Amino acid sequence: GAGVSQSPSNKVTEKGKDVELRCDPISGHTALYWYRQSLGQGLEFLIYFQGNSAPDKSGLPSDRFSAERTGGSVSTLTIQRTQQEDSAVYLCASSLETSAYNEQFFGPGTRLTVL
Amino acid sequence: AQSVTQLDSQVPVFEEAPVELRCNYSSSVSVYLFWYVQYPNQGLQLLLKYLSGSTLVESINGFEAEFNKSQTSFHLRKPSVHISDTAEYFCAVTAISGGYNKLIFGAGTRLAVHP
Repeated sequence: GAGVSQSPSNKVTEKGKDVELRCDPISGHTALYWYRQSLGQGLEFLIYFQGNSAPDKSGLPSDRFSAERTGGSVSTLTIQRTQQEDSAVYLCASSLETSAYNEQFFGPGTRLTVL
Repeated sequence: AQSVTQLDSQVPVFEEAPVELRCNYSSSVSVYLFWYVQYPNQGLQLLLKYLSGSTLVESINGFEAEFNKSQTSFHLRKPSVHISDTAEYFCAVTAISGGYNKLIFGAGTRLAVHP
């Protein structure tokens, strides 16, 4: 079946602009995770959703970052007033449930470049 | 809190040679352990995981890792590598308790297999 999809695959924006990154999880997966992969920082957890709620937002780097999930499916990560340090690959993953016994399946990522 | 250390950022090796990618973790609670692989221009894929039971776990493509609780390690090994194993490998942990599967990643090890 279809895996996790993310769009766009690449996004180049100017400093100060807002961007929206989209994630379509595997159908039926209730848990959804956002991670960021950047040079010098490795892979870092940003936020996770169980259904439409986000119990843990502790990984969001600043209040310019927000995320939502609607209908227990698609999620959008929004970065307002982008800065150059926001440049990274943003990865989305989904799993059947939140238990660690459920494998997280990763999407291909969105490469964000802030000029 | 958990943390993961991958001691080698890059490991060059010749084809058919053995390889070991090192991973150490720190945690005040019991954890599950994972190795993910990222092939060039592809997304993250789960390679193998330790949840419980036998401390030696294997992947379908010949990799194995052994959970060593006393040394807090989960090193990845393969007795004979192929060119196609060239990729970046990430060790990750998640706390068993906490209600959800937030992955904490190491910085990654880039394995380069040369002919």
